[in-house]
Amino acid sequence: ETGVTQTPRHLVMGMTNKKSLKCEQHLGHNAMYWYKQSAKKPLELMFVYNFKEQTENNSVPSRFSPECPNSSHLFLHLHTLQPEDSALYLCASSQPSSAYEQYFGPGTRLTVT
Amino acid sequence: AQSVTQLDSHVSVSEGTPVLLRCNYSSSYSPSLFWYVQHPNKGLQLLLKYTSAATLVKGINGFEAEFKKSETSFHLTKPSAHMSDAAEYFCVVSDNGANNLFFGTGTRLTVIP
Repeated sequence: ETGVTQTPRHLVMGMTNKKSLKCEQHLGHNAMYWYKQSAKKPLELMFVYNFKEQTENNSVPSRFSPECPNSSHLFLHLHTLQPEDSALYLCASSQPSSAYEQYFGPGTRLTVT
Repeated sequence: AQSVTQLDSHVSVSEGTPVLLRCNYSSSYSPSLFWYVQHPNKGLQLLLKYTSAATLVKGINGFEAEFKKSETSFHLTKPSAHMSDAAEYFCVVSDNGANNLFFGTGTRLTVIP
């Protein structure tokens, strides 16, 4: 599969669980992003990584922990989430010099019970 | 501060009729503006971009948008809607300093056969 892939596509977890979301890009980009998409709200930027270094943390609660081991992979580790964290989590990538042209994955639909 | 307002949360048109999706922006800088499209169960895709060149911008699938500074608008149009155009459309403004994207709340386009 080409472009940006995300796994799993759907995830249901309890508030005490620990899970991880995975994103992989096959485009040779060096910047990667996590977004949260909730109903009726604008897309919210969560984290930005440039060349594996975190350059943006948009006041995200510590129950969300990102990891970027290399420029092609991005993880979002989840623990002790709240029901209001239920949303579609989108990963994107770009070249750092063209951050407006981001390529998005299909997202992970997360439900916290 | 940068922000966009999408004036309609839902637009419904008949197949073959024109499409107009409205967007107004607010920006402290000379803005860069974009439209992204999200089809069901897919990631967001860049439709077109304005980055201070020609004010009338042509994108993929026959869409175009016109930057009007006096009206702070960047409306998306298409002369003739196709069934495959049914999707969610997001107007986006860029923070030119940090290359972050600020998304509108989206407009869902329905195309009636």
